[in-house]
Amino acid sequence: GQNIDQPTEMTATEGAIVQINCTYQTSGFNGLFWYQQHAGEAPTFLSYNVLDGLEEKGRFSSFLSRSKGYSYLLLKELQMKDSASYLCAVRDRRGSYIPTFGRGTSLIVHP
Amino acid sequence: DSGVTQTPKHLITATGQRVTLRCSPRSGDLSVYWYQQSLDQGLQFLIQYYNGEERAKGNILERFSAQQFPDLHSELNLSSLELGDSALYFCASSVGSGSSYNEQFFGPGTRLTVL
Repeated sequence: GQNIDQPTEMTATEGAIVQINCTYQTSGFNGLFWYQQHAGEAPTFLSYNVLDGLEEKGRFSSFLSRSKGYSYLLLKELQMKDSASYLCAVRDRRGSYIPTFGRGTSLIVHP
Repeated sequence: DSGVTQTPKHLITATGQRVTLRCSPRSGDLSVYWYQQSLDQGLQFLIQYYNGEERAKGNILERFSAQQFPDLHSELNLSSLELGDSALYFCASSVGSGSSYNEQFFGPGTRLTVL
């Protein structure tokens, strides 16, 4: 099985930068996803990391360290619309490559 | 809009009843996944179908079953419903299955309320 840990809730100010961490334990790591989910809506894809390093995509970046079982999602120039839940999901070779989702981090952006 | 459709959007029913949720994947996607999301459990994988065949099974109860039809749409059947089955049910689709990179696209979900 997999253990995926994320903080339950974070708050930040509009215009600021926030880093959401995700740690995981898996024996057959095969990629890590970040999804954004607004309340009551479908998760939407943000990023996918399978190799170590930083992937940048506009205001969002995602980092992976496989040796540490660690990833983070970095959100820059925060906007009110970034208030949402951010889900970390890990693929495991031993789990039919189906992503296992963490419980998500609820991000609240205030003015 | 992800291109994945789910019906109905909302469903209210009573304990002991049976319901069917429907999902149509994005055009060209062969894999369909079903997830359950409740407040205390997060997004839980239930089952995956690929081109009509069951490919992977997660935490799916015996009271629940699913199938994927020749036109690739899928149905999730929930029977002998209990209060604890109240949740958002998401369908997702992807092009392939297995080890290759497969971004999942999620449908809008069906909110099931069991009274």
